[in-house]
Amino acid sequence: DTGVSQDPRHKITKRGQNVTFRCDPISEHNRLYWYRQTLGQGPEFLTYFQNEAQLEKSRLLSDRFSAERPKGSFSTLEIQRTEQGDSAMYLCASSQQGQGLYNEQFFGPGTRLTVL
Amino acid sequence: EDKVVQSPLSLVVHEGDTVTLNCSYEVTNFRSLLWYKQEKKAPTFLFMLTSSGIEKKSGRLSSILDKKELFSILNITATQTGDSAVYLCAGALRRGGATNKLIFGTGTLLAVQP
Repeated sequence: DTGVSQDPRHKITKRGQNVTFRCDPISEHNRLYWYRQTLGQGPEFLTYFQNEAQLEKSRLLSDRFSAERPKGSFSTLEIQRTEQGDSAMYLCASSQQGQGLYNEQFFGPGTRLTVL
Repeated sequence: EDKVVQSPLSLVVHEGDTVTLNCSYEVTNFRSLLWYKQEKKAPTFLFMLTSSGIEKKSGRLSSILDKKELFSILNITATQTGDSAVYLCAGALRRGGATNKLIFGTGTLLAVQP
C-alpha cells in the first residue's frame, strides 16, 4: 500500500498520560499535515511541514501538543498530559509541492484517540 | 476569519435521485476548493476546483466553482446506496507558491435509501 499510513489506528488512554502518534506520508510527498476531527465536524488544521521544517501551527495546538518530522519523512504528533477534550480522530495528510501550484492532499486512515 | 459553510447539513434520498450539495466559502488568499467523501474513515479526494465555471466530472459526480459568488456545488446523479457518506468541502489557502492548509466545512451527511 503506497498511501498515507498512520499508527496506531486506535488509542485509549487515561487522562494525564502522554500519547504519541506516527504518520508515514506518501513517499514522494514533501508536505505533511496534521488535522483533528471531532464527531460531526470537518477536520481542523493543526500544523504542517515542508520537508523537516514546521511552517505553520494552529492556535488549536496548545503547549501540550508537539509535532516533529525529523528527517523529512515520517512525522510524530505527541500530546502530553492528555485531557478528555483531546478525544478526537487525528488525521494526517500529505501532498507534493511540485511543478503545479495546485496540490491535493491525501489523507491517512487516522488515529482515533479516546481519553478516559 | 476563514470559514466554509455547507448545506444542507444532512439529506435523505432514494436510490436514483439526483442531489446537489452546496458549499460557500470565505477564505483569504484562496487558491482552490476541494471536495472529499468520508465514510467512517479518512476523507477520500474527489475534486479540486481552481477556475470558475469549469465543470469537473467523475462518473455520476460533478462539481463546479463560482469564484465571484464564492460558491461551489457537488452534484450526484442516479444516486446509489454506496454514495451514502459525509461529503466535505474545503478551501485551500495559498501561501508562497503552493497551498498549505485546508479549511473544512462541517460536511453534508447524505443517506441514500434503497
